[in-house]
Amino acid sequence: ETGVTQTPRHLVMGMTNKKSLKCEQHLGHNAMYWYKQSAKKPLELMFVYSLEERVENNSVPSRFSPECPNSSHLFLHLHTLQPEDSALYLCASSQDSVLAGGPHEQFFGPGTRLTVL
Amino acid sequence: TQLLEQSPQFLSIQEGENLTVYCNSSSVFSSLQWYRQEPGEGPVLLVTVVTGGEVKKLKRLTFQFGDARKDSSLHITAAQPGDTGLYLCAGVRAGKSTFGDGTTLTVKP
Repeated sequence: ETGVTQTPRHLVMGMTNKKSLKCEQHLGHNAMYWYKQSAKKPLELMFVYSLEERVENNSVPSRFSPECPNSSHLFLHLHTLQPEDSALYLCASSQDSVLAGGPHEQFFGPGTRLTVL
Repeated sequence: TQLLEQSPQFLSIQEGENLTVYCNSSSVFSSLQWYRQEPGEGPVLLVTVVTGGEVKKLKRLTFQFGDARKDSSLHITAAQPGDTGLYLCAGVRAGKSTFGDGTTLTVKP
C-alpha cells in the first residue's frame, strides 16, 4: 500500500451504533488530520495530531473520539451519531509537524462515506 | 476566523475553452495550495505557492500567488474533460490550513 488509506470506504450506521474509522499513512509523515466534508460546505478540520499528540480539536462534539496510537495510524471512534453527521470523512497526513514551519502540504486518503440513519 | 472565498462556485464549459478560478482572502498566508478532488476520492495536491507574485505552471495549469499573499488564481488553458472536478484552495498560516469552499468545474466534450 502507498499513500494514505482509509477503511471502510462506505459505512451505514444507526444512531445507537458504535463504529470506528481507520486511517493509515505509509509516507513517514509527522502529522495526521481528520476532516469532515459535507455537501455545499468547505472542508471542516476536526482533529490534528502532530507527532502523535493531539494539537487541534475544533469544537467537535464528544460523539467523535479520535485516537492516534502511533505516527502511522489514526482512528475516529463514532458513537450515538446524528443524521446530520452523515458526510465524507477524510484523513490526511503531512510531512511537517504542526509546530514546525513548512508548507504543510497534505496528502489525503479516499475518505469514508458515512450515512447515519 | 480566516475565510477563503473561491469564485466561481460552479463552472461548466466546453472542451477547449480557457478558464480562471479565484481564491481570495483578507488574511495573509505563508503559503497556498491548490487541490483537485474527483467524486468519491480525496483531494489531490496540485501545487504549492510560497512567494508573493509567484507563478507556477503545470502543463496547461498556471497558478499565481498574489503579491500580498492574500489571494491566488488558477488558470486552465484548453480545458479537457479530464479536468472535471472540485478545485480547492488552502491557505497555510501558523501551521494551520484553511480551505476554500471550492469550485466545481465541468468540462463537456
